[in-house]
Amino acid sequence: DTEVTQTPKHLVMGMTNKKSLKCEQHMGHRAMYWYKQKAKKPPELMFVYSYEKLSINESVPSRFSPECPNSSLLNLHLHALQPEDSALYLCASSQGRGGANTGELFFGEGSRLTVL
Amino acid sequence: SQQGEEDPQALSIQEGENATMNCSYKTSINNLQWYRQNSGRGLVHLILIRSNEREKHSGRLRVTLDTSKKSSSLLITASRAADTASYFCAATRLSFGAGTTVTVRA
Repeated sequence: DTEVTQTPKHLVMGMTNKKSLKCEQHMGHRAMYWYKQKAKKPPELMFVYSYEKLSINESVPSRFSPECPNSSLLNLHLHALQPEDSALYLCASSQGRGGANTGELFFGEGSRLTVL
Repeated sequence: SQQGEEDPQALSIQEGENATMNCSYKTSINNLQWYRQNSGRGLVHLILIRSNEREKHSGRLRVTLDTSKKSSSLLITASRAADTASYFCAATRLSFGAGTTVTVRA
């Protein structure tokens, strides 16, 4: 199984809502990532988890809260988002520790978030 | 920023032609990777080239790396309509360049 599965595929939420994005992989990868991608822009790294511990937080606002319950799952909890947070949120995983020498990233298909 | 920067931003070619895109980066790297993204989809890894490699091939893809110039190129030979996508390079630290959008016309 070489898949990274993201749910939901689409999410519409109001600015006062609390929602979560989920990501799952069964490749035995120990590094998992969240990226945010706006239209016609490259993905921007948000968080990296290595061996279930948060290793990189790219100065992401606290209204985004990541969680790694186990080595196969990665969540992104959303609260009090702004319309400008509307984007495609991509999850990825890789072997290794997710540091500077990271090899191939395996991406999910993304969750398209719209904040009203 | 350590991220790669691609050029051109957009490329339109006829099916069967070759497509070449370039990536420049700012700092020392251990490896450089190329990814493809079809519209609104996830990224797919194409090829990884290590800093001690100068050229690498994978099917119709050819990647070169010039660490002295801090640049890499991706060549897609005999392009097909299915190659229509955005292509991103990624230097160390998981940062992606702005990308090149390739349109292959039938």
